[in-house]
Amino acid sequence: DTAVSQTPKYLVTQMGNDKSIKCEQNLGHDTMYWYKQDSKKFLKIMFSYNNKELIINETVPNRFSPKSPDKAHLNLHINSLELGDSAVYFCASSHPTLQETQYFGPGTRLLVL
Amino acid sequence: GDSVTQMEGPVTLSEEAFLTINCTYTATGYPSLFWYVQYPGEGLQLLLKATKADDKGSNKGFEATYRKETTSFHLEKGSVQVSDSAVYFCALSRSSNTGKLIFGQGTTLQVKP
Repeated sequence: DTAVSQTPKYLVTQMGNDKSIKCEQNLGHDTMYWYKQDSKKFLKIMFSYNNKELIINETVPNRFSPKSPDKAHLNLHINSLELGDSAVYFCASSHPTLQETQYFGPGTRLLVL
Repeated sequence: GDSVTQMEGPVTLSEEAFLTINCTYTATGYPSLFWYVQYPGEGLQLLLKATKADDKGSNKGFEATYRKETTSFHLEKGSVQVSDSAVYFCALSRSSNTGKLIFGQGTTLQVKP
């Protein structure tokens, strides 16, 4: 039983393309997040949603657009991909009363050529 | 701004050795402090946490004590195993229950048999 799942696991694409990463959690959590982990393993929050409402938006380029169709899903759409977007993207979720205890998905490794 | 600094890795130890991974933080007020662990090919998972000064978090033989006077939260384990090989992330949350975690750069631990 996967708690937080992401698809795809690997994504290789050309510069300028548009791509989406999907995330789903079956923990019943209200809050979901997207993180970016760079090649040096530095991890930084990008967005958080609480029950489909945007809560945190950390100065991410507007080429990145999160979409939450329901509280169990938070997808990340990226337009006009750039080389610098290459990274591992992690989705996470948490219970609303314990938001610092976050459950992470396995990550999506994005490589932009 | 708030930040977390960890010791540079990789840290390489023999099985049953004593482990210390240093973590210091910069933040106003009284942040909560966390250690997350990322096993190879997986997402992060919470290892332990402490929410106020002098608290000790512990889990799976790992411990860390919240030291406000030295703004530190060093991770220790008395006897490491090969299965402890992973990347360890120190993190803080300044505002209560916002879900915004600020991570250190991660420290890779390699344990050899």
